[in-house]
Amino acid sequence: DVQLLESGGGLVQPGGSLRLSCVASGVTLRSSVMSWLRQAPGKGPEWVSAIVGSGGATYYRGSVKGRFTISRDISKNTLYLEMNNVRADDTAVYYCAKSPGTWYNYFDSWGQGTLVSVSS
Amino acid sequence: DIQMTQSPASLSASVGDRVTITCQASHDINKFLNWYQQKPGKAPKLLIHDASNLETGVPSRFSGSGSGTTFTFTISSLQPEDIATYYCQQYDNLPPTFGQGAKLEIK
Repeated sequence: DVQLLESGGGLVQPGGSLRLSCVASGVTLRSSVMSWLRQAPGKGPEWVSAIVGSGGATYYRGSVKGRFTISRDISKNTLYLEMNNVRADDTAVYYCAKSPGTWYNYFDSWGQGTLVSVSS
Repeated sequence: DIQMTQSPASLSASVGDRVTITCQASHDINKFLNWYQQKPGKAPKLLIHDASNLETGVPSRFSGSGSGTTFTFTISSLQPEDIATYYCQQYDNLPPTFGQGAKLEIK
């Protein structure tokens, strides 16, 4: 059974930084496709970033490219999202999620989420 | 990005009713369309992938159909535990995008 547990959210000022973590069990990150998604209050989910398979190729949505970095620590089976120069519109619950297969086509396991609030 | 439009945005139905939600894509997305259920304070849960494939363990009262730009999600007989918001999501074009949701309530 896959379990994903996010942490690291909180209140951060505009322009600040935050690192989110997602500890995985029941799945090996080395060979998995993992994503970060977010959901602003009252809105639908939004895909943010993915890291794919053994090669670790990374992908980002345009609005976070150059500001966010997805990475993973295989030894800790943990996924990260480094968030820099955050903006008010980055405020959301952030989820890590797993995709089956070799691409981020759909998300079959999700964590419980961690709330990021960007405000002065 | 491909825009996904769901209708209705909210609906109210009685236990045992047949419920249908529509998802319209701004471009042809073949059958690359998934459906999720989200209950308050919880993460979304995958119900259907690739337009009509029921995820393992999901009750058979849930179903999906469609291809191209128009898709339908159906609950054949509404149960009290189905109260939630339902989202469609496409992955034909990157980035994957979600609809704005359809909130289902019990009458």
